Amino acid sequence: SQQGEEDPQALSIQEGENATMNCSYKTSINNLQWYRQNSGRGLVHLILIRSNEREKHSGRLRVTLDTSKKSSSLLITASRAADTASYFCAPHQTGANNLFFGTGTRLTVIP
Amino acid sequence: EAGVAQSPRYKIIEKRQSVAFWCNPISGHATLYWYQQILGQGPKLLIQFQNNGVVDDSQLPKDRFSAERLKGVDSTLKIQPAKLEDSAVYLCASSLFETQYFGPGTRLLVL
Repeated sequence: SQQGEEDPQALSIQEGENATMNCSYKTSINNLQWYRQNSGRGLVHLILIRSNEREKHSGRLRVTLDTSKKSSSLLITASRAADTASYFCAPHQTGANNLFFGTGTRLTVIP
Repeated sequence: EAGVAQSPRYKIIEKRQSVAFWCNPISGHATLYWYQQILGQGPKLLIQFQNNGVVDDSQLPKDRFSAERLKGVDSTLKIQPAKLEDSAVYLCASSLFETQYFGPGTRLLVL
């Protein structure tokens, strides 16, 4: 399968806590991207990490990539109610033209 | 910078009717994508254009779905005739490099 598989499928935390989502994939990749989707909206790009990178930060987001294990994680620190959304990882398979999205992790942040 | 525009936002039709969706990508973005997102799932690529040429339409049900991107700018996706299982959100995205920018989507309900 070319798509990423997110884990857990659903996550519920209190505001202020950290949220960690994981992604596994099966092919060699050029990069891996994370997207967020608020209910009823389109997807928003969060961060891209290349295959030669191990960790990347953007604001309250921290992404790690382990190509030997074909896995990635997305950490959201100090979560806010506005972070409530579905989060998708999208591996960009080497040689492919497009991204393949999994079913996502549904994050609920309780105020 | 204006985002990806889609219309209509919502559409309700009877099965066997036809429907068309329109997308205007971000100015200058050569690549345009149409995705289908069924409730509870991640987006599934239907077709990808590079300028006005098709790069990938392997998952487009060509017996009922068609898409065009005349002049390499805006695009239309058509379903004719629609089936109940076509009920979904249809997302358009565009990209210049690796990051995809999504429109708000068109929510289709087939009765």
